[in-house]
Amino acid sequence: DARVTQTPRHKVTEMGQEVTMRCQPILGHNTVFWYRQTMMQGLELLAYFRNRAPLDDSGMPKDRFSAEMPDATLATLKIQPSEPRDSAVYFCASGLVIGWDLNYGYTFGSGTRLTVV
Amino acid sequence: AQSVTQLDSQVPVFEEAPVELRCNYSSSVSVYLFWYVQYPNQGLQLLLKYLSGSTLVESINGFEAEFNKSQTSFHLRKPSVHISDTAEYFCAVSEENQGGKLIFGQGTELSVKP
Repeated sequence: DARVTQTPRHKVTEMGQEVTMRCQPILGHNTVFWYRQTMMQGLELLAYFRNRAPLDDSGMPKDRFSAEMPDATLATLKIQPSEPRDSAVYFCASGLVIGWDLNYGYTFGSGTRLTVV
Repeated sequence: AQSVTQLDSQVPVFEEAPVELRCNYSSSVSVYLFWYVQYPNQGLQLLLKYLSGSTLVESINGFEAEFNKSQTSFHLRKPSVHISDTAEYFCAVSEENQGGKLIFGQGTELSVKP
């Protein structure tokens, strides 16, 4: 089965450090999402891309978060500087969207569990 | 703007009993609806989806969900649950003309007891 690969699986870092999370979407998928999951907020959409172009990043704190797709096989989410409140599981998902909105469901990676101390 | 409400945060049930996990959405346009399942320390897996056509959709492991447009609901049901169904279940909605954006409910933790 094709899968979305996220690295690293776990990351512990000190407050103020830069954190980069990586995602390899499924080949052929044209849409990539970044979600953050916490107990309090549930699943929050941070940003998503279509054909590598950002479509919506309104869920992302702009002062410290940035998301990019340098090529079709790699999506990155960067936090600089990191803060304890950024501790969460970050998920990447990819899927194929037909036309403007028809999607058949997205495939999620296993997530990156980030702890900022 | 779309929103999704899962009415129960936790649902405890005994093995082989039926279960219903409730989901309501809010939208003024056409929607696509999904149920995802998350097992501990894993990512989300697509369980089933409604895109169009028959309002009753089924998964391969015995779950089914029915799209009810008048009640704006997409409840998930299983007639007889198994211990292995213990997981968190998320309802999600994708609104037309929103570029495939998927918004999730808060999740329902299903706990199946022997």
